[in-house]
Amino acid sequence: QVQLQESGPGVVKPSETLSLTCTVSGASISSNHWSWIRQAPGKGLEWIGYIFHTGSTNYNPSLKSRVIISIDTSKNQFSLKMTSVTAADTAVYYCARRRYYEIWSDSKSRKSYYMDVWGKGTTVAVSS
Amino acid sequence: DIQLTQSPSSLSASVGDTVTITCRASQSISSFLSWYKQKPGKAPELLIYTASTLHSGVPSRFSGSGSGTDFTLTITSLQPEDFATYYCQQSFGTPPMCSFGQGTKVEIK
Repeated sequence: QVQLQESGPGVVKPSETLSLTCTVSGASISSNHWSWIRQAPGKGLEWIGYIFHTGSTNYNPSLKSRVIISIDTSKNQFSLKMTSVTAADTAVYYCARRRYYEIWSDSKSRKSYYMDVWGKGTTVAVSS
Repeated sequence: DIQLTQSPSSLSASVGDTVTITCRASQSISSFLSWYKQKPGKAPELLIYTASTLHSGVPSRFSGSGSGTDFTLTITSLQPEDFATYYCQQSFGTPPMCSFGQGTKVEIK
């Protein structure tokens, strides 16, 4: 079955760059879309961004200036880089597969997206 | 940005009860809404997508309804493993964006 595994340093210093990788097994990274989501301690889920298998991306406007998501099809991995981190970026970071269901309305096709497979999450603390 | 507001923020219920959680969008999102369940220390799990389609393997006691701005998640005959936090998520727009509700915690009475 499809499995996702996040990896990266558990501690990042303030003002530095957070780098995480998600390794996909059981599915080709070239056949799907992929997301990053995070959850600060005791808080709700926050969408960070997603990447298409083509490399096209879309980001949460509140994080867009600090985030880059990239994909490496040769390794079946995708990655997250977040620059200039502060304590507010301390969170559990999840990667997930993004799928869609096609809806037809007024002869137009639209896609309803959802995340059907998630990694277990990796905790990142921003601390000096 | 589309905001999702869940109500209630928390509720207490007993095994066997029927529970209803509401998610309201700040503008119409058609049926572009999903529901997730999260247990403490675990990743979220997909329950329902496109407002009312049950994800594979999810028990039939879970159901979703709604369109436009108002949506509900209903859990009938609540089981011990259903005590968790539930989130709604929207994917409306061009390009499609994503946001989550603040969550609803279902606790044991």
